[in-house]
Amino acid sequence: RKEVEQDPGPFNVPEGATVAFNCTYSNSASQSFFWYRQDCRKEPKLLMSVYSSGNEDGRFTAQLNRASQYISLLIRDSKLSDSATYLCVVNMRRGSQGNLIFGKGTKLSVKP
Amino acid sequence: NAGVMQNPRHLVRRRGQEARLRCSPMKGHSHVYWYRQLPEEGLKFMVYLQKENIIDESGMPKERFSAEFPKEGPSILRIQQVVRGDSAAYFCASSDGQGEAFFGQGTRLTVV
Repeated sequence: RKEVEQDPGPFNVPEGATVAFNCTYSNSASQSFFWYRQDCRKEPKLLMSVYSSGNEDGRFTAQLNRASQYISLLIRDSKLSDSATYLCVVNMRRGSQGNLIFGKGTKLSVKP
Repeated sequence: NAGVMQNPRHLVRRRGQEARLRCSPMKGHSHVYWYRQLPEEGLKFMVYLQKENIIDESGMPKERFSAEFPKEGPSILRIQQVVRGDSAAYFCASSDGQGEAFFGQGTRLTVV
């Protein structure tokens, strides 16, 4: 099983649609979780951290299910500017240290 | 507070030459991560360092690649005897070891 696995995508949706991305991780000792966004040929940028209780930031909602080792990102009312690759990131314990492991990303394309 | 600084932004090397990529973390960050990204592919973890220590190098190729993060100065990713397959974007990220990582703009290496 891959350490961090995401929906393969690509997701092609119309403006205004709701879209959900899923991510699973293999290490149950993982401590922190994030969603990053990467635009074409740019560096990844933090979109939001994911907390155990779930958290929301405007049109974006992130949820964590530790029992199932599963993270999700929901985007409501999609905008053209949401088109990007969304990366699931897990701070994964290896020995006494954590390490940030990225999923391969899910590409989202929002069409007019 | 400057962000993560990588240089050079673009680097062209002939086959067989050496490439040196530099990364200065954000102020106050002592954890550095290096990732490689091939065109149309996801970020691939290479190495995780703290000051003067390599914490996890499980993603580093066994030969020609090395990384360091000295007590003073930037982290260096060194590629000896470059080959065409080394052409990629190399991203560096830094963190305080607890929270999210912040990325530099990357170095785009082209081997001709």
